[in-house]
Amino acid sequence: AQSVTQLDSQVPVFEEAPVELRCNYSSSVSVYLFWYVQYPNQGLQLLLKYLSGSTLVKGINGFEAEFNKSQTSFHLRKPSVHISDTAEYFCAVSQIGYSTLTFGKGTMLLVSP
Amino acid sequence: DTAVSQTPKYLVTQMGNDKSIKCEQNLGHDTMYWYKQDSKKFLKIMFSYNNKELIINETVPNRFSPKSPDKAHLNLHINSLELGDSAVYFCASSQVGGQGFNEQFFGPGTRLTVL
Repeated sequence: AQSVTQLDSQVPVFEEAPVELRCNYSSSVSVYLFWYVQYPNQGLQLLLKYLSGSTLVKGINGFEAEFNKSQTSFHLRKPSVHISDTAEYFCAVSQIGYSTLTFGKGTMLLVSP
Repeated sequence: DTAVSQTPKYLVTQMGNDKSIKCEQNLGHDTMYWYKQDSKKFLKIMFSYNNKELIINETVPNRFSPKSPDKAHLNLHINSLELGDSAVYFCASSQVGGQGFNEQFFGPGTRLTVL
C-alpha cells in the first residue's frame, strides 16, 4: 500500500514570490508520482509526472518538481507565482503496473497581490 | 468536445432517496474510475472499471453500485442516500500505457448535497 503526505494544508504567498509545496510518500514498491491542480469548482488537471529518468520534471504553467528517492519526496516548485495559480494542489502516487491513484490531502495555494 | 463529462453538475436530494450520476468519456480509454472528494477536499478512489469489468472496489458501502453499459460510460447509482454521502464525486478515465503509466483525465465533478 502507498500513502502520501502533504505537510501544508495551506500556503499563502505574495504574487511573484517563489513557492514550494511539499509532498512525501511511503511505498514498499516503486511508484510513479504526480501533481494535480484543482482550480475552484473544477476537476483535476495533471500538472506534471515522474515516471523514470531525470529526477527534475517540468510541467505546465511554469511548475517543476524534483523526485528525491532517498527522502521519498516529490516537492513542487515555481520560481514566481501569479494570482491565477491560486488553487488546490494534490500530490499522488500510483504503483507501477497498477492504475489506482493515491492522493495526498491537498495543499491550498493562496496567491495575493 | 469535453473529454470526460458528468451529469448532473449539482444534485440536491433528501435522505433516503436513490440517485444516479452519469459519466461519459470520448477518449477511447479502457479504464474508468469514480472518486469521492469530501468536505476537506480529500480525494479517495471508490471504484475502477476496466473494459466494463470491476477491478477495484474500495471499502465503499454496498449502497453504491457502479454500472458500466459500455467502455465509454461508467454510472454511479446510490441507494438510500445518507447525510455523509454529501461530497463531490469525480469520474476519471485512463488508458494503460506501455510502461503501465496511465494519465487519468478527470471530469468536472458532481456536487451531491443530501438534506
